[in-house]
Amino acid sequence: GESVGLHLPTLSVQEGDNSIINCAYSNSASDYFIWYKQESGKGPQFIIDIRSNMDKRQGQRVTVLLNKTVKHLSLQIAATQPGDSAVYFCAEVPDNFNKFYFGSGTKLNVKP
Amino acid sequence: NAGVMQNPRHLVRRRGQEARLRCSPMKGHSHVYWYRQLPEEGLKFMVYLQKENIIDESGMPKERFSAEFPKEGPSILRIQQVVRGDSAAYFCASSPTDRGNQPQHFGDGTRLSIL
Repeated sequence: GESVGLHLPTLSVQEGDNSIINCAYSNSASDYFIWYKQESGKGPQFIIDIRSNMDKRQGQRVTVLLNKTVKHLSLQIAATQPGDSAVYFCAEVPDNFNKFYFGSGTKLNVKP
Repeated sequence: NAGVMQNPRHLVRRRGQEARLRCSPMKGHSHVYWYRQLPEEGLKFMVYLQKENIIDESGMPKERFSAEFPKEGPSILRIQQVVRGDSAAYFCASSPTDRGNQPQHFGDGTRLSIL
């Protein structure tokens, strides 16, 4: 089956710094990718998504980069805030399927 | 609240009992997905349902687990004769269509504890 993994299980950053969370995926046929944020005791919250025909997409304070050559996805958070502390998951969606494959997550700690 | 609603938020059962987890999708969403999450792990797909139909149950254990999404009412994930290994957080998500290029919207989960 598909495999989605993360390079760094825990990331600590200083408030105001930029954060970069990485994700590797295994299925070159995957067509759609999503980043979710999960706070303690809550469900995953959609942050940003990107289709395979794009290599970059920007949102409010967040940017997702997709490198299909090396099957790598990253989430950049600008000016990280304490409220950004959470576990971040990338999810991979094979073309024409609704089944999301989630990575194991990266815990982001924002130090004041 | 127009989000995905799950209840109960916490459920405690003794070994051998039955657990029923409910999920009401977002308004206008007719596609429901169930995921299971163990502590410090990602979410694992269990089953995908549309109204009155199971579309993909490839992630469901072959025994004791079942899911339904009736024409009226919430989707139900049912676990019979629960065992300690069933302890986990169970999340439901919904989407408006079956196109695979849109985010699924998640509820806040049901934390199932087996004594």
